[in-house]
This record gives sequence, C-alpha cells and structure tokens, in this order.
Amino acid sequence: DTAVSQTPKYLVTQMGNDKSIKCEQNLGHDTMYWYKQDSKKFLKIMFSYNNKELIINETVPNRFSPKSPDKAHLNLHINSLELGDSAVYFCASIAGTGNTEAFFGQGTRLTVV
Amino acid sequence: AQSVTQPDIHITVSEGASLELRCNYSYGATPYLFWYVQSPGQGLQLLLKYFSGDTLVQGIKGFEAEFKRSQSSFNLRKPSVHWSDAAEYFCAVVSSGSARQLTFGSGTQLTVLP
Repeated sequence: DTAVSQTPKYLVTQMGNDKSIKCEQNLGHDTMYWYKQDSKKFLKIMFSYNNKELIINETVPNRFSPKSPDKAHLNLHINSLELGDSAVYFCASIAGTGNTEAFFGQGTRLTVV
Repeated sequence: AQSVTQPDIHITVSEGASLELRCNYSYGATPYLFWYVQSPGQGLQLLLKYFSGDTLVQGIKGFEAEFKRSQSSFNLRKPSVHWSDAAEYFCAVVSSGSARQLTFGSGTQLTVLP
C-alpha cells in the first residue's frame, strides 16, 4: 500500500482553468503539507495542516486553496491557472509526535499551457 | 524561525571519489534532521535521519551524516561515490513541537564523472 498517494501524477491544462490535486495518506499522521518545487528544484512550503486545521499558509496567491475534509486527506484546488503555476507539487505527511520522518507522495507535475 | 542552508548549489566528483555535502541549520531547540535524495523526474527518498543519540548516523546506499551541534551542521558523506548517486540532495529540519514545521534547504545537485 502506498503511504502517501497523490492524483493525478501529470496534469496538463490551459491558462484560466481550475484544477484540483488530491492527496491521501494511510499512515494515521496528524500533519500534512503541500510543497511546490519549481524548475530550480527549490521545495517551497505552501500549506501545512494539523488535524484538519491550517497551521502554515505561506505567501501563496489566494487562487490556491487547500481543503482537508478529514485527517487523511489534503487536497489542493487552484483557480484561474497561470503559466507560472507550472511546477511539481508534492504532498507530504508526518506524525504529530515522536521521532519520525515525513513521507512524500510521488508528486504531481502540473503544466499550464 | 527555523532555516536550512546548503551552501553548495552544484558539486561534481569523479566516480570512486569521496563526497561531502554541507548542511547548516538554524533552530532553537534540538532539531530533527534529515537528508533526502531526488533522482531526475522522481520523488523524494529518505537517505537518513537524526533525532537524538549517536551523532553519526548511517543511512541507505552507503551514506552517513554527522550531527555537530556546536557548528549547527549535519553534513552528508559517502566514502566512494557511484555513478548512480548523481541526483539532487536536500537537507531538511523538522520542528519537534506538535505543529511540525518541515523546512528544506535549497538543494545540492551532484554530478558524477566517469
């Protein structure tokens, strides 16, 4: 079983469209994240949720809206897509306590044309 | 606020040579430290982790890292590099509180020459 799964793996869409990326973890973790990796490979935190509550909301356009229906899911909805949104988006999760690492999804490569 | 610095953007080594990738962190308490590797077009794979105890930690693929509190460093090493080690390497720190903040360094790209 995949610990953290993202769908879709690839997403090609036109400017102005609205799209969603789904993330699910089956590890029972309390905290989930969304990261954006640009062409320079830098991993920038976008959002962090702990037990369905928003903890971190970095400087991200409000076109990006995370939704956490339950502790195991953190979806990312993007409105009015722009060319600059093209990137790889990674979902991750980590336990709220104890010595453990973060587990990552395989990434979603978003291409806006 | 916590931060991670990887001062080397790009490192080139010959196959069989030793490797050291530098990582410096800033965090008020005892940090949880990690090294991840990302091959081209792939996701992130955990190489090794440090929480407490022995400051020299062993990871997968023959990698090791040493935690030095006095230098706020967690450098990654490998005695003999293989061509398959060519990848992007990320150092990361996680805050130990309940609101886990996971911060990455900017990454170091490793090129291995034959």
